[in-house]
Amino acid sequence: DAMVIQNPRYQVTQFGKPVTLSCSQTLNHNVMYWYQQKSSQAPKLLFHYYDKDFNNEADTPDNFQSRRPNTSFCFLDIRSPGLGDAAMYLCATGPFGGGNEKLFFGSGTQLSVL
Amino acid sequence: QKEVEQNSGPLSVPEGAIASLNCTYSDRGSQSFFWYRQYSGKSPELIMFIYSNGDKEDGRFTAQLNKASQYVSLLIRDSQPSDSATYLCAVGRSNDYKLSFGAGTTVTVRA
Repeated sequence: DAMVIQNPRYQVTQFGKPVTLSCSQTLNHNVMYWYQQKSSQAPKLLFHYYDKDFNNEADTPDNFQSRRPNTSFCFLDIRSPGLGDAAMYLCATGPFGGGNEKLFFGSGTQLSVL
Repeated sequence: QKEVEQNSGPLSVPEGAIASLNCTYSDRGSQSFFWYRQYSGKSPELIMFIYSNGDKEDGRFTAQLNKASQYVSLLIRDSQPSDSATYLCAVGRSNDYKLSFGAGTTVTVRA
């Protein structure tokens, strides 16, 4: 019955070793978002897709990339993880992409970097 | 100045009491206001949203909005231990895809 699914739930990687986090949705929403959330901080938007259109936040490091091969799936690639990239990564969806709509979050992926 | 400000807490309330959480925002053009509950190590879950000035009630939760004062609050009545979580305030506008989140207020309900 899950609507936004993130895998894996926990990911451990080594410093500098590329890692990919995945998100899938059964809601058929147009918009998929990736947020980074560090302990006791607000979720920080990294980028989002409106359909196939990719929108990067100005302060998102180049180390973070994303792919959306189809409506249902979206991936977050971290090319060379640093210790500062350890965080919870949240995928969320929305039907239309307006700031007045509710977001549906996945369960998150907790990334650790050793 | 942060766009959305919340008292980080922790806010400790006894079981059965009312928990009152506050949120202020800087963008006067904000139109949509959301409260998300986040348990430790879990993802945010929407519990309330409000678009118009005044109160909106849903079960034990009441959201209150005052756009003139740029202030939105959440009341949790008859607090239960299961309400112990961090509550995130989020603010948006229809012509901007981006929600602005506060850092959250941590609530602890004492049994």
